[in-house]
Formats: sequence, C-alpha cells, structure tokens
Amino acid sequence: KQEVTQIPAALSVPEGENLVLNCSFTDSAIYNLQWFRQDPGKGLTSLLLIQSSQREQTSGRLNASLDKSSGRSTLYIAASQPGDSATYLCAVRPSGTGFQKLVFGTGTRLLVSP
Amino acid sequence: ETGVTQTPRHLVMGMTNKKSLKCEQHLGHNAMYWYKQSAKKPLELMFVYSLEERVENNSVPSRFSPECPNSSHLFLHLHTLQPEDSALYLCASSKGGLAGVPSYNEQFFGPGTRLTVL
Repeated sequence: KQEVTQIPAALSVPEGENLVLNCSFTDSAIYNLQWFRQDPGKGLTSLLLIQSSQREQTSGRLNASLDKSSGRSTLYIAASQPGDSATYLCAVRPSGTGFQKLVFGTGTRLLVSP
Repeated sequence: ETGVTQTPRHLVMGMTNKKSLKCEQHLGHNAMYWYKQSAKKPLELMFVYSLEERVENNSVPSRFSPECPNSSHLFLHLHTLQPEDSALYLCASSKGGLAGVPSYNEQFFGPGTRLTVL
C-alpha cells in the first residue's frame, strides 16, 4: 500500500529565506507526483506536476524535483514571502490505476514571517 | 479561481438531517472526485466518476451517496451522519480518466464544503 510522508510537519522561516520541503513515498511505481498549496479552510491549488519520466519542474520561484527510484521529491521555494504561508501537500498517482487515484501526504504547514 | 465550484461552503447538520453537497466544474473535464479531509489526516479519496460512471468507491459508508448526472456536476447526498463525519469535503475534476491513458491528468480542486455534524 502506497504511503506518503512529508517532513517537516511545520516550518517557520523569516522572509527572504530559501527553503526545501520534503516528500517521500513507499512505492516507486507511480505515474506522477503533484505538489499542492492549501490556504486555511480552503481547497487545493495545484503548483507543479512531475511525470514519472521527469526529474524536475519549475514555476517561478518554485522548483520541484523527483527521484522515483529512491521515493523522494523536494519542493524548493526561493526567496520566500509572507504570501507563501500555507500548507503544502504532496500527492502521488500510483501506477496501475486507470482513474487518477491520488495518495496524499499530511502536508507541511509553512509560516513565513515578515 | 480553479474553475471548480462547491456549494454550500459551510454546512451544519444534525445526525438525523438529510443534505446534499454540490460540485460544478467549468473546465470541460470528464472525471470528478470527492475527497474527505479530516484534521491531521491525509486527504482521503471517497469516490471517482469517469464519464458519469462511478469507477471507484473507497469503502465509504452508505450514509454518503454520490450522484453524477452529467460530466459537469457532482453531488454528495448525506443522511444520518455521525459527528466523526465532520470534515472538509473537497471536489476535484480532471481530464482523462480512461484506463491506460496516463496523459496530462492534473486534478483541479474546488474550495471545499466545511461540514459540521452535531
């Protein structure tokens, strides 16, 4: 059974710092991995999606990497801003599921202070 | 704004009530999903509909009853719920959903319905 773990559970940094969020998964047989952002009491916003054949994806100040064989992904946030404060969720789509079943981690709650 | 809307945004109901959650997507997708998010637990997939046919039921109690009348709308009918069912219920949609088609398949989520069962 696929399990996804995110470390740390919470992170507090001053504005301007570069930071890394970690995601690990137990079964390397995945189609893709997706990073989401969730603001308090709200839905999820997709940030980046990495297909299993890719090693990384970039969008603005965000860079996500994927090492499928070791079951790891990282989300790098450059020059963090208070507006980046949110919970970041990692999810994998296991192989062999035709219907895009995502398995989520419990998230990392990020606080960026001014 | 992701193109997926959910109503109501907040719902308080007693254990004997019957209510429905509604989700609508304006993205031309053909797969829709219900997720449950409880405090300090990962999002749990509840149901998946592909081309208006239910293709996944993740061992969800029968007091939750989904309905997908067309590819743009998804409902979750609730009856005789328990206090432990209190959670944020999220709807999502995506392209694809056909077996063996792992192409571009990003899921887009609605804002959720915060449900409290008294």
